[in-house]
Amino acid sequence: ETGVTQTPRHLVMGMTNKKSLKCEQHLGHNAMYWYKQSAKKPLELMFVYSLEERVENNSVPSRFSPECPNSSHLFLHLHTLQPEDSALYLCASSQPGTLSYNEQFFGPGTRLTVL
Amino acid sequence: QKEVEQNSGPLSVPEGAIASLNCTYSDRGSQSFFWYRQYSGKSPELIMFIYSNGDKEDGRFTAQLNKASQYVSLLIRDSQPSDSATYLCAADRGSQGNLIFGKGTKLSVKP
Repeated sequence: ETGVTQTPRHLVMGMTNKKSLKCEQHLGHNAMYWYKQSAKKPLELMFVYSLEERVENNSVPSRFSPECPNSSHLFLHLHTLQPEDSALYLCASSQPGTLSYNEQFFGPGTRLTVL
Repeated sequence: QKEVEQNSGPLSVPEGAIASLNCTYSDRGSQSFFWYRQYSGKSPELIMFIYSNGDKEDGRFTAQLNKASQYVSLLIRDSQPSDSATYLCAADRGSQGNLIFGKGTKLSVKP
C-alpha cells in the first residue's frame, strides 16, 4: 500500500448506529487530519493530530470522536449522527518541520450517508 | 474570519487555450499556497505549491503569487479535456500551519 488509504470507501448508517472510519498513511508523516467535504462548501478541517496528540478541534460536535493510536493510523468514531452529517470525509497527512510542511496528501475519502 | 475566496465557475475554455484560475486570501500571515485538483467523486490531488512572490512553472502549470495584493493564480497552458475538474486553492493559516481551502473553481475544457 502506498500513500494514504481510507476504509470504508462508502458507508450508509442510521442515526442510531455507531461506526468508525479508518485512515492509514504509508508516507512516514507525523501529522494527520480529518476533513469534511459537503456540496458547495469549502473543505472543513475537523481535527488535527501531530505526533499522536490532538492539536486542533475545530468546534466539531461530540458525535464525532477521533482517535490516533500511532502516527500512521487515524480513526473517526461516529455515533448518533444526523442526516446533515452526510458528506465525503477525507483524511490527509503531512510532515511538519520540512520546507513544504503544509503539503498535505489526501486519502480517497469515505462517502458517508446518514439515513 | 480567515478566508480563501475563489470564483466557483464553471469556467469553460476550449481545448488548447489557457485557463486562468484566481484566488484571494485574507490572512496576511499566510506564507504558503497550494493548488489542488479534484475530479468528480475523487479526493484532492496536489498539483502546485508556491511560497515566493512571482511565478513558478511546472510543465503546463504556472502558479503566480502576489503577496501585496493577497492574490494567487494558476494558469494552465494548452488545456486538455482531462484538465476538467474542480481546482481548490489553499493557504496556510500563518503560524498555526494548517490549511484554509477555498470552495473551488470548476473548470470545463471543451474539445
